[in-house]
Amino acid sequence: SQTIHQWPATLVQPVGSPLSLECTVEGTSNPNLYWYRQAAGRGLQLLFYSVGIGQISSEVPQNLSASRPQDRQFILSSKKLLLSDSGFYLCAWSVRGVGNSPLHFGNGTRLTVT
Amino acid sequence: KQEVTQIPAALSVPEGENLVLNCSFTDSAIYNLQWFRQDPGKGLTSLLLIQSSQREQTSGRLNASLDKSSGRSTLYIAASQPGDSATYLCAVLYNFNKFYFGSGTKLNVKP
Repeated sequence: SQTIHQWPATLVQPVGSPLSLECTVEGTSNPNLYWYRQAAGRGLQLLFYSVGIGQISSEVPQNLSASRPQDRQFILSSKKLLLSDSGFYLCAWSVRGVGNSPLHFGNGTRLTVT
Repeated sequence: KQEVTQIPAALSVPEGENLVLNCSFTDSAIYNLQWFRQDPGKGLTSLLLIQSSQREQTSGRLNASLDKSSGRSTLYIAASQPGDSATYLCAVLYNFNKFYFGSGTKLNVKP
């Protein structure tokens, strides 16, 4: 069966520090991968999605970046965090190129920028 | 621009009541629609997925319907229980890659 792992679960970082969040998927190949952010009391905002190694699409301008060094690995990074980067970050995957594929989520990372 | 709206934003009901959550979307050219549950501080758990060719899906006490022509989906929860308390989100897939989410309905089922 497929599983998705996301870490760390919680993170407290000072403003201006770097960020690296990692997500890996097991039990499937060539997935679409996604990073979402959920601000307090708000819906999910799509940040990045990837349809393959090295292929990243950005949905919103920001100081975050994403990379996909391996087929089932998706990394969210920042060189210098802002207070506004605080939120709940969720990684997700779906089957590539299939219109009836559900979206599967990890457990999320709670990021607090102080 | 595709928009997904959920009404109401919050709902409080006594235990045992049947209830309906609503999701509307602006563009009817969808591939599928998915309902999720989110407990506080947790990730999203998939409840039901309706493909564009389907009208409804059922799982236990949950029934989701889809009306593409009117841009609406409903999630029906029968005989609600306190354990159903959570935020419910709908998401619409417009192409093979991007899912658009509503802002959710926060449900509280009172014992």
